[in-house]
Amino acid sequence: DAGVTQSPTHLIKTRGQQVTLRCSPKSGHDTVSWYQQALGQGPQFIFQYYEEEERQRGNFPDRFSGHQFPNYSSELNVNALLLGDSALYLCASSKRGLYTEAFFGQGTRLTVV
Amino acid sequence: AQKVTQAQTEISVVEKEDVTLDCVYETRDTTYYLFWYKQPPSGELVFLIRRNSFDEQNEISGRYSWNFQKSTSSFNFTITASQVVDSAVYFCALSENSAGGTSYGKLTFGQGTILTVHP
Repeated sequence: DAGVTQSPTHLIKTRGQQVTLRCSPKSGHDTVSWYQQALGQGPQFIFQYYEEEERQRGNFPDRFSGHQFPNYSSELNVNALLLGDSALYLCASSKRGLYTEAFFGQGTRLTVV
Repeated sequence: AQKVTQAQTEISVVEKEDVTLDCVYETRDTTYYLFWYKQPPSGELVFLIRRNSFDEQNEISGRYSWNFQKSTSSFNFTITASQVVDSAVYFCALSENSAGGTSYGKLTFGQGTILTVHP
């Protein structure tokens, strides 16, 4: 049973560029959440998707947007990249209706230069 | 607003010692969930334990145990007989109900505690 998979694992972008990160949830899961983890910090909630709609959003600017597809996979898009966007981006999946723990992927390490 | 505080930035122990990681939380919700996650160098967050706000019973699971005290808003985590493989960053997290009230909403994480277990 594959867990949560994220791609790519590492990415280097230039300031001002746009980036798309991808996440496939664990089999049987329908809810995807995205987190940003700066070096030495705890993960910060970006947003959560369920039924292809954004359900909750953290304190992140509109440059951060997302999408969920009918197969429950998800994308995180960041426009106009800033140096401060350099971080580990983690995807978590869970099953709505069941109070089970969220499973996390290994993350995408984004470096903005 | 929800907040999680892990006052211990780094802890260093020798193998076989017991170690307790502290966590204090703030929330206005009456229903909430508390978690401990482990993050090894690979980056993936690994679920360890979960406790809901209705159940203050403390439990032991293998080498892991936790002490949940609602009166002091604390959710401490203990590893008994630590091993080198326990070396990682440990995060305490708090979750409110999702908008639909049927699954976990966003997780609010603490800053993490770096645990190093020396042989």
